Amino acid sequence: QLQLQESGPGLVKPSETLSLTCTVSGGSISSSSHYWGWIRQPPGKGLQWIGTIYFSGSTYFNPSLQSRVTFSVDTSKNQFSLKLTSVTAADTAVYYCARLLIPVPVPHPYFDSWGQGTLVTVSS
Amino acid sequence: SYELSQPLSVSVALGQTARITCEGNNIGSINVHWYQQKPGQAPVLVIYGDSNRPSGIPDRFSGSNSGNTATLTISGAQAGDEAEYSCQVWDSSTAVVFGGGTKLTVL
Repeated sequence: QLQLQESGPGLVKPSETLSLTCTVSGGSISSSSHYWGWIRQPPGKGLQWIGTIYFSGSTYFNPSLQSRVTFSVDTSKNQFSLKLTSVTAADTAVYYCARLLIPVPVPHPYFDSWGQGTLVTVSS
Repeated sequence: SYELSQPLSVSVALGQTARITCEGNNIGSINVHWYQQKPGQAPVLVIYGDSNRPSGIPDRFSGSNSGNTATLTISGAQAGDEAEYSCQVWDSSTAVVFGGGTKLTVL
């Protein structure tokens, strides 16, 4: 059974960089049928897609965050990572990593497996 | 960029049918997916590809999509269905788009 686990600091200072890693177990991050994504949820608000990466390194980003976001993939560790620079209090949220399945024949992907989420607070 | 609109809240009497809508420009031309999220938990996929249920999701959950509106229907709503429901699409220009979420209250 696929499992995803987010890890990283729970507290980040304003203007610094938020770094999170998602470790995938029970499946390969090199699957050709899946993307891997990051989603966040500010307290009391809805889901906000951050971006998506393919094991080859190709990426899609939320335009509102694109200038501050970097993704990477480590296939040897079955992990993918997020870096968000110049954080402010508005970046305080629960951050989820998830697997995005690419269905055929109509490739309109959806998230079929999620991590439990990790709360990241931006505060001095 | 593509936008999805959901009502903030929907209420349903126990055992009755709840309908949660997701509106978007010509949404009927793309697949819609639905997630259930209970407090303190990660979202769970309940409907994919407009009307398909993943394994383990009760057949009380169904979906439809036409024109500018997609609808998640919960028949015979139970207390355990009380949650936030969010729709999601993949748009060719924006990639992943989520609706704002709808809080379902079972009375």
